[in-house]
Amino acid sequence: DAGITQSPRHKVTETGTPVTLRCHQTENHRYMYWYRQDPGHGLRLIHYSYGVKDTDKGEVSDGYSVSRSKTEDFLLTLESATSSQTSVYFCATYASGRGTGELFFGEGSRLTVL
Amino acid sequence: DAKTTQPPSMDCAEGRAANLPCNHSTISGNEYVYWYRQIHSQGPQYIIHGLKNNETNEMASLIITEDRKSSTLILPHATLRDTAVYYCIVRPTQGGSEKLVFGKGTKLTVNP
Repeated sequence: DAGITQSPRHKVTETGTPVTLRCHQTENHRYMYWYRQDPGHGLRLIHYSYGVKDTDKGEVSDGYSVSRSKTEDFLLTLESATSSQTSVYFCATYASGRGTGELFFGEGSRLTVL
Repeated sequence: DAKTTQPPSMDCAEGRAANLPCNHSTISGNEYVYWYRQIHSQGPQYIIHGLKNNETNEMASLIITEDRKSSTLILPHATLRDTAVYYCIVRPTQGGSEKLVFGKGTKLTVNP
């Protein structure tokens, strides 16, 4: 367990409003990821980070931005939420070179955009 | 794009072995194969991983073909609680891209 906390766990918002999801980890893992999950699509990578201030795009990055100013926090921002961004968002972390190299996932954040 | 392909769904009888295939024909020599599963809407959980050799742990066995282009996850005695979506991904050893892309996975249904 990498002590991953996602917040908020549930959020309902309106189209056009900004939304920020936070992922917090306590294990000092270098790598952090944001995925979204929708029926029929599996897990799709939005953005990932390989260190403080080091981020890169994933498969479905349009409409999303991220920031990582501290090792423990990785923020996902929807600048202007749209209904197509209604989804369950998962954060994941892992520490390269340690243990089994597995990804540890948070419990997910369910976002509904009306 | 995912570097793995899996069948969308499979069924298995309770108590029998479940064999879940994964194709990773473009895998490179420095990439591991990892398996995860996701029960209901929980976050995915790690099952097992391997590089070249077959691996076994308390949860499952992983069989990797000699050419490393495919693998099979084996749940030796499936139970109803093994009903889940199973994902295989490839992940580099140190120095490679850490852009970890999942596919759609295989929905395994274990029937009583």
